[in-house]
Amino acid sequence: GQQVMQIPQYQHVQEGEDFTTYCNSSTTLSNIQWYKQRPGGHPVFLIQLVKSGEVKKQKRLTFQFGEAKKNSSLHITATQTTDVGTYFCAGQNTGNQFYFGTGTSLTVIP
Amino acid sequence: DTGVSQDPRHKITKRGQNVTFRCDPISEHNRLYWYRQTLGQGPEFLTYFQNEAQLEKSRLLSDRFSAERPKGSFSTLEIQRTEQGDSAMYLCASSARGLAGAYNEQFFGPGTRLTVL
Repeated sequence: GQQVMQIPQYQHVQEGEDFTTYCNSSTTLSNIQWYKQRPGGHPVFLIQLVKSGEVKKQKRLTFQFGEAKKNSSLHITATQTTDVGTYFCAGQNTGNQFYFGTGTSLTVIP
Repeated sequence: DTGVSQDPRHKITKRGQNVTFRCDPISEHNRLYWYRQTLGQGPEFLTYFQNEAQLEKSRLLSDRFSAERPKGSFSTLEIQRTEQGDSAMYLCASSARGLAGAYNEQFFGPGTRLTVL
């Protein structure tokens, strides 16, 4: 069945360092979404990528969708304490189900 | 507050009891999703509705689980004969068709945390 894996599972960084999480799907995706979930909170939508090779930026966040539409990455430049949380990718296949990744938990040390 | 509400926020029940959760999506959203999330894991798709029609169900959804969206507005998720393994956060999300015709972001509710003793 469809699987979406994320690495790393946990990441601790010093404030100001960069952070990257990688998402890999076992099958080709029609699109991929990224969400952030704060401790005790619910997932909050960050962005959606649709096109092969697409790159989108939101301030310090850069999102990429692989050429084969099977992998994606989220890169945060110069992390801040407000970036703390778990980042999930969610891949949509040709159906309408979203398969969430296992998540990367980011801790930022001040 | 995303505009998606869920009730109750917490539910403690004994094994073997039935429980029902309610989700009120954002009013103009015609898609509604149910997910289950356990500690340290990502949300796991359970089912989704487009208006009142239940279009997909996860193979992981046993026959003890049933969901309805009778008038295409609020939805209920019922778990019969609860088991300890059902303990989890149950999340509801809604989405609307974007300008390009595709469904974009999902707006999640706060979730219902179920504990089965």
